[in-house]
Order: sequence, then C-alpha cells, then structure tokens
Amino acid sequence: DSGVTQTPKHLITATGQRVTLRCSPRSGDLSVYWYQQSLDQGLQFLIQYYNGEERAKGNILERFSAQQFPDLHSELNLSSLELGDSALYFCASRRGGTTDTQYFGPGTRLTVL
Amino acid sequence: EDQVTQSPEALRLQEGESSSLNCSYTVSGLRGLFWYRQDPGKGPEFLFTLYSAGEEKEKERLKATLTKKESFLHITAPKPEDSATYLCAVQAPGAGSYQLTFGKGTKLSVIP
Repeated sequence: DSGVTQTPKHLITATGQRVTLRCSPRSGDLSVYWYQQSLDQGLQFLIQYYNGEERAKGNILERFSAQQFPDLHSELNLSSLELGDSALYFCASRRGGTTDTQYFGPGTRLTVL
Repeated sequence: EDQVTQSPEALRLQEGESSSLNCSYTVSGLRGLFWYRQDPGKGPEFLFTLYSAGEEKEKERLKATLTKKESFLHITAPKPEDSATYLCAVQAPGAGSYQLTFGKGTKLSVIP
C-alpha cells in the first residue's frame, strides 16, 4: 500500500458526459501528479500540482482540468468524454523539495460507452 | 524530447531462468532513472532509483544497473510471483516539476 488513495475504482459513463476523479496524496506529500495509461500509449503525464498551484502540464487535453485543494487532495475533471478517453487514470504523490520519488495510487478505471 | 524505449515488449521465462530487461533512454540531462513494477489493474510500485552511470541497486532477485545510455533490470532465478510489467522512467531537470517520462514496459511471465 503506497498510502495514495484514489476514488472511485471504476467509473462507467457515456460519451459527452463529465466525471471527476479524486486523489488523496500520502501524508506529508505536497505534490500530486496525474497520469493516463492506455493500452497503446503507456503511462502519459497529464498535469502536476504542488501545494495548491499548477506546476507542470503534459499532454493534457483542453477538455480535462485539475485542481489541488488546501487539504492537498486533488481532483481531475474530464468533460465532453469520448470513447478514446477510456483508460486507467493514476495519481502519484511526491514529498516535495529535492525528494524525487513518486508513489502511485491504485488508479481509477474509466470506461466511456 | 525525452524518450524511453524498453525491450523486449514481453518475456516468458521458466522459473529459475535468469534474464535481463533493457531500458534505453534519451534525455537532456538525467536527474534520475526509475524502475517500477506494475501488476494488472494496479498502480505502479516503486522499485529503484539510479542517478549516475555505474550505479547498481539490488532488491531480492532484482538488480538494476545504469550506463550513460541505458539501464538493465537483471532478474536472478525468477519465481512465478515476479510476473508483472516492469516500467522504466526518466526524470530530467526542469522547472522543479520532477515529472516522469515512462517507457511502455516489459511484460514478464514466469512459468512454474
């Protein structure tokens, strides 16, 4: 158990809908990363927050957004969903400063029908 | 752009048959190279971090090594419970983000 929690574990929805994925980092970790994992693309970095502020963006679509709250949990919002958005979404957390290791949560499996 | 290539894509070993997984990388300045293990439907589990060429780290039947262009994950006398996908990732300096660029992984199957 990495100490990172994600909810829900599974999410099934229809095209055009909007969903919110939630992540709680390990106790004491300030940084949260979101990744998407699909069969053909592997793990792709989406976005990072550090202590409530956006720090870096990867290949995140404009339909996707995220935020980190004062209690350091983070939410990833996916809107106008398409079939191709079906994937595993992982959150990872890092302590901060010069600590470099990211610890991953169990993921949310999103299925768009 | 940082790139990570892992080979082979899949590897089947008999229990006890040692082998190595390869991770080749291209990065503008390496801060660290990471190995993770991922079981089906689960999140990646951290194994090792390597920082400089010549460095080695071991954990049970696994040993990771690093050169200036690639890393190897050596598996000695594997057991069925070592079956998983092994992911390699690089971390480059830049704006303090510490983000990871992953390879697509090597799926290891160890047959009893």
